[in-house]
Amino acid sequence: QKEVEQNSGPLSVPEGAIASLNCTYSDRVSQSFFWYRQYSGKSPELIMSIYSNGDKEDGRFTAQLNKASQYVSLLIRDSQPSDSATYLCAVKDAGNNRKLIWGLGTSLAVNP
Amino acid sequence: DTGVSQNPRHKITKRGQNVTFRCDPISEHNRLYWYRQTLGQGPEFLTYFQNEAQLEKSRLLSDRFSAERPKGSFSTLEIQRTEQGDSAMYLCASSLRRVGINEKLFFGSGTQLSVL
Repeated sequence: QKEVEQNSGPLSVPEGAIASLNCTYSDRVSQSFFWYRQYSGKSPELIMSIYSNGDKEDGRFTAQLNKASQYVSLLIRDSQPSDSATYLCAVKDAGNNRKLIWGLGTSLAVNP
Repeated sequence: DTGVSQNPRHKITKRGQNVTFRCDPISEHNRLYWYRQTLGQGPEFLTYFQNEAQLEKSRLLSDRFSAERPKGSFSTLEIQRTEQGDSAMYLCASSLRRVGINEKLFFGSGTQLSVL
């Protein structure tokens, strides 16, 4: 059973701090990784994708991938209250490129 | 590009009734997915289309669920004889699958179904 695991949280950080969200996956041959943000009652919104080991930066967001350790993380710099949401990690199934394997999400609360 | 559009946004129905949802994907996207999500869970895969062909359907999906994508454009998801356990957010996503392009899924706003 291929799995993606995330700490459910809630993760609480003060405004302006760095929020660090982590995700581990079981299938070591996975190649494509995604972070989605989901506000309560809304649909998931793609915020980052990463395919190679190392860091990928986009504005205040940095995705980090370590395939040897099978983890992918998301850093949010200068956290804002509007970043308060659930962050879902998704990993493309290497055996079926049409499928994403989803974590249950980490709830982030940024306190003003 | 107006994004993925889903209708209706909310649907309340009585148990045993049939419901149909519509999804209009991003125009150039050739893949279309239906997912279902309940509170505290990640999206659960239901079915997938490449153009007009339905190529995969979750084994968890009962015979009461059917989906179509005529002409490879919009898609409909029908649930017959709804049950209370069908209450969930139904999400449609689309993507562009081409050689050399990393596929990314973009979701619509979802249809929240409540079965009374």
